[in-house]
Amino acid sequence: SQQGEEDPQALSIQEGENATMNCSYKTSINNLQWYRQNSGRGLVHLILIRSNEREKHSGRLRVTLDTSKKSSSLLITASRAADTASYFCATVLTGANNLFFGTGTRLTVIP
Amino acid sequence: EPEVTQTPSHQVTQMGQEVILRCVPISNHLYFYWYRQILGQKVEFLVSFYNNEISEKSEIFDDQFSVERPDGSNFTLKIRSTKLEDSAMYFCASSLDGGAGNTIYFGEGSWLTVV
Repeated sequence: SQQGEEDPQALSIQEGENATMNCSYKTSINNLQWYRQNSGRGLVHLILIRSNEREKHSGRLRVTLDTSKKSSSLLITASRAADTASYFCATVLTGANNLFFGTGTRLTVIP
Repeated sequence: EPEVTQTPSHQVTQMGQEVILRCVPISNHLYFYWYRQILGQKVEFLVSFYNNEISEKSEIFDDQFSVERPDGSNFTLKIRSTKLEDSAMYFCASSLDGGAGNTIYFGEGSWLTVV
């Protein structure tokens, strides 16, 4: 299976704390993308990191990629209750265009 | 901001009936996709479409499924004879190109309930 696996499956933190979610994958990738999904809603694109990049920032989000370990992490700083959602990593394999999704991390931010 | 739109947002259908889910991708995008998410499970790739033909498909996308781009704006997914296990959220997505910076944008999804 090419899909990523997120760790942890669920994470509960207090508002203001940082949240770190990890993703591992198995095969060579073109890029890795992180998405957010509120319960029963669509997938919102957060950030894309290419295979030749190691770190990217977008607002309170920081994504790292380690292709030697086939892993990525998503850090949300200064979390807010509105960040409560499921977060998925998804990989685009080398030579392909479609995404393979991981199992997701359910983040709960307690006000 | 441009977005992918999907209709219907929710459809209930009898087992064995045909269903067509509709999508309007972002207007200048060239690649189109369908994914599904069974309740409580991960998002699964169904099919990708480029240059008016299927470019990739998964094992899930069997003969019961078909896709079409009937005009310059719509992209449809047809399920010929629905089964109970087809109940899921179906997501349409599109992207501008297939390169390394290929951000894939998703619609809000269409809930399909087969009874």
